Amino acid sequence: AQSVTQLGSHVSVSEGALVLLRCNYSSSVPPYLFWYVQYPNQGLQLLLKYTTGATLVKGINGFEAEFKKSETSFHLTKPSAHMSDAAEYFCAVSETGQAGTALIFGKGTTLSVSS
Amino acid sequence: GAGVSQSPSNKVTEKGKDVELRCDPISGHTALYWYRQRLGQGLEFLIYFQGNSAPDKSGLPSDRFSAERTGESVSTLTIQRTQQEDSAVYLCASSLNSYEQYFGPGTRLTVT
Repeated sequence: AQSVTQLGSHVSVSEGALVLLRCNYSSSVPPYLFWYVQYPNQGLQLLLKYTTGATLVKGINGFEAEFKKSETSFHLTKPSAHMSDAAEYFCAVSETGQAGTALIFGKGTTLSVSS
Repeated sequence: GAGVSQSPSNKVTEKGKDVELRCDPISGHTALYWYRQRLGQGLEFLIYFQGNSAPDKSGLPSDRFSAERTGESVSTLTIQRTQQEDSAVYLCASSLNSYEQYFGPGTRLTVT
């Protein structure tokens, strides 16, 4: 069965510092991987996705993630944190990427950014 | 264009009452999903609709939960005889091509 583990329910960084949010997954087949961001009282917004091809994917707001099959990881990074990045981040996996396949989500990581 | 909308944004109900939650997907999106987000947890899949096909109800936690969708438009999630453990944010998502799901803002349900 698929599962997603996000290491660290809460990450705190200073403005301008590197952001690293960790995600490990388990899947019996090559997965489709996603990062979503959720701002307070809002729905989830897709940050980036990996389907096939290049393992380093770039998303919105300067975020990127690298799919590492050998490590079953899909960590999210941003070189320089901004106050507006404070939000909750969810990693998700889909086994097939086909319509009707529900996403399996991690429990989320809350990112705090201090000035 | 308009995104996924959900109503109400907040719902407080007494234990034992029935509630209906509504989702308006993005126009033209054939797929619609309901998820539940409990405090401090990730999202749990509840149910999926694709066009006129039979829905995938595999995630519904009990027979108190049901959902309907009219064609490729509005969906309603109904919870009967609500319990305190039903308190959560209920999120709806719609999709056109498959894996890229667009989420609504959610309905926060509180059962007292």
